[in-house]
Amino acid sequence: EVQLVESGGGLVEPGGSLRLSCIGSAFTFSSYSMIWVRQTPGKGLDWVSSISSSSWGRTYYADSVKGRFTISRDDAQNSLFLQLNSLRAEDTAVYYCARGRQTSVLRGQGVGYWGQGTLVTVSS
Amino acid sequence: DIQLTQSPSFLSASVGDRVTISCRASQDISSFLAWYQQKPGKAPKLLIYGASTLQSGVPSRFSGSESGTEFTLTITSLQPEDFATYYCQQFDSYPLTFGGGTKVEIK
Repeated sequence: EVQLVESGGGLVEPGGSLRLSCIGSAFTFSSYSMIWVRQTPGKGLDWVSSISSSSWGRTYYADSVKGRFTISRDDAQNSLFLQLNSLRAEDTAVYYCARGRQTSVLRGQGVGYWGQGTLVTVSS
Repeated sequence: DIQLTQSPSFLSASVGDRVTISCRASQDISSFLAWYQQKPGKAPKLLIYGASTLQSGVPSRFSGSESGTEFTLTITSLQPEDFATYYCQQFDSYPLTFGGGTKVEIK
């Protein structure tokens, strides 16, 4: 069974940094694009960032996080990362790691697998 | 950026009711649209992809349709476990975008 497990969330002061991790299992991690989606408490879903499989080597970011967040992956460790820098109060959210039904998310078949989410709280 | 306008944002219905939720895209997204169900404290669950294909394991009372840039999620006979929030998402181009959500509550 495909599983995605996030870690790394917590309380951080404005301007601070965090690194989120996600470990995937029961699928060929290196073959899949991966994405991060966040959800502000009580609000809707927002796509944050995507990374293609290593063979394509492309990354994509929402305008709201471009220049502050960095997505990366370590296929040897079946791991996805999101480095969050220059954090703001509006970055407070549950961050989900997710995978598409197909290897490509763009023009694919939806996000079929989600982690349980990790909460990031930005507050002084 | 492609905007998804979802309506209504809130819906009150009874068990057994037929429910329809609309999602309008600001431009052509072909059929690269998915629907999700989310319950409090849980990750979203994929219901429909390709605008109308039912994800494996999802009850057949859920269906999706499209007409141009207008997409519809229909629940033919609402069950107690269907009370949740529903979102559409487009996968046609970056940035990926979600609709604002529809909360379905018990009347």
